[in-house]
Formats: sequence, C-alpha cells, structure tokens
Amino acid sequence: IAGITQAPTSQILAAGRRMTLRCTQDMRHNAMYWYRQDLGLGLRLIHYSNTAGTTGKGEVPDGYSVSRANTDDFPLTLASAVPSQTSVYFCASSPRGASGRNEQFFGPGTRLTVL
Amino acid sequence: GENVEQHPSTLSVQEGDSAVIKCTYSDSASNYFPWYKQELGKRPQLIIDIRSNVGEKKDQRIAVTLNKTAKHFSLHITETQPEDSAVYFCAARLAGGGADGLTFGKGTHLIIQP
Repeated sequence: IAGITQAPTSQILAAGRRMTLRCTQDMRHNAMYWYRQDLGLGLRLIHYSNTAGTTGKGEVPDGYSVSRANTDDFPLTLASAVPSQTSVYFCASSPRGASGRNEQFFGPGTRLTVL
Repeated sequence: GENVEQHPSTLSVQEGDSAVIKCTYSDSASNYFPWYKQELGKRPQLIIDIRSNVGEKKDQRIAVTLNKTAKHFSLHITETQPEDSAVYFCAARLAGGGADGLTFGKGTHLIIQP
C-alpha cells in the first residue's frame, strides 16, 4: 500500500441496507477524516479522528458512524442507507501534531449510489 | 463554526492570462488555509497552503495571499496553461479546534481557453 486507499471504488446500494466504506493509510498519520462531496456543495466533513481510539462529529454526521481501532484504518458505516446519502465519499489523513504539518492527503474516493 | 465563501463559481480565462480566485472566512481563529485542485473524477490535490502568520506564499506560477484583518485569502495563477483547467477549492482550519477538519468553499471551475 502506498499512501491512502479506499474501497470499494463505487457501489450501488438499496435503501435501508447497511454499508461500510473502508479507508486505510500507511503513512502513520495521526488524524483521519471522512468527507462527502456533492455537486455545488463542495466537500463537507462527516466525522474525524485525531488519533487512534478517538473520534468526533463533523458538519454532517447524521446517519454515519466511524471507528478508529488502530492508526491505519478508519471505516465509515451507513447503518441504514437513504437516497440522500448518494455522494462521493473521500477519506483523508494528516500528520497533525507537534511537527506543525497540517496538510491533508485524500484517498481516491468511493462513489456511492443509494436507490 | 467556520464558514468559507468562494468566488467566482466559474472562471474562464485565455491561455497565458492570470486567474484569481477569492475566498472569505468567518472565524478569526482560523490559522491554516490550503488550496486544492481537483480534476474530473480525481481526488483533491493540495497545491499550496498558507498559515496565518504569513501574508503571501509563492510556488512557481501559483501564489496565495492572506489578509487576516479582512478575513480573506486569494489564489493567483499566472501564465495559465490548459492543464490548469480544473475545479479549485479553498479551505480553512480552526486553530485548536477538536475537529481539526477543513471547512471548504464550494469550488471554482477554472476553464482555460486556448
């Protein structure tokens, strides 16, 4: 693995189904994030994790949950998908911390369609 | 929370000319301002960023300026080339905030006319 990866690349899902989007990074970054991107709305933060074992809510957290069991993985779960969750989902990671580096690196994205 | 406004939503310039994209932010506690470029179907890529203790930063044809008093920052691209065509997003990050996530503008579609 090099950098940050997401799976699946795309998915079509029936409303009401449960879905987990996967995100893995091998850069040993402390912080990880989930954003959704919708046309005309830019990218909006769903959930974040500043370090393994901690998570927090972003701007649009309803209907989503996350976990951060270790440094590398940050899965996003839709417990019961609804059509309004149709979007492109980007995972990102950042070194954060004492080094002062702030830049966020994005994964390739997952295109999710809920019917 | 932070709110970031970005203008214009679409910008068309002749190849070789300069392009300027402007953003304003609402929270004076924000201290980090990155710019991302996103090509169609691709992930956002960081092209330049600036911290609140700096007024201007340049990297070849790209520069960013920051006016903390007015709470606005701008992206300047000189000598534009066809490969500059993309959607550009500005963002801001609150200092000391627990989220540490970015608040993005809605994007500017930059079109370079040959």
